[in-house]
Amino acid sequence: DSGVTQTPKHLITATGQRVTLRCSPRSGDLSVYWYQQSLDQGLQFLIQYYNGEERAKGNILERFSAQQFPDLHSELNLSSLELGDSALYFCASSPDRINGYTFGSGTRLTVV
Amino acid sequence: AQSVTQLDSQVPVFEEAPVELRCNYSSSVSVYLFWYVQYPNQGLQLLLKYLSGSTLVKGINGFEAEFNKSQTSFHLRKPSVHISDTAEYFCAVKWVKAGTYKYIFGTGTRLKVLA
Repeated sequence: DSGVTQTPKHLITATGQRVTLRCSPRSGDLSVYWYQQSLDQGLQFLIQYYNGEERAKGNILERFSAQQFPDLHSELNLSSLELGDSALYFCASSPDRINGYTFGSGTRLTVV
Repeated sequence: AQSVTQLDSQVPVFEEAPVELRCNYSSSVSVYLFWYVQYPNQGLQLLLKYLSGSTLVKGINGFEAEFNKSQTSFHLRKPSVHISDTAEYFCAVKWVKAGTYKYIFGTGTRLKVLA
């Protein structure tokens, strides 16, 4: 157990639908990062939050959005889902700018 | 633009043989370097990191890496691999400049240990 909790572990949904992925960071970590991992694109950075505020944006589609709540958990919302959105979505947290990340075990999203 | 290159997408090696997984990056100014391992159906786990000090860093599971500033490399090594080391390995580099930073992962190297 890395200390970063992601739910659900698996999600199967139809095209056009909307889903919410949830992440609880490791205790004490204020930063949360979302990544998408697929076979053709590799590991892609989506977005970062720090203590409730958006800090950095990567290759995040407009159909995707995220937020971090006062208790520091974060949610990634994916809407108007397409087949190509099928991927592993990872959340990671870190205590500061220097150290590495602690990753959750991911949510496997399958869009059918 | 900053970049991280893992030239080998796959590395097959026999059990108990040594292995080196290569990582090169684009610039050595104010960098922090990391190696992660991802076992099947799991998230990435930090293997080791270089923040400062000795250029040879030791990590978990017997892995080590050496920071070479002149060659802008951070290769991962293990003197004797086990079947259980079969996984994907990611190099990551964090550039820090003027209060901002950029963190980039390499494309990964799939290590397959053969019996």
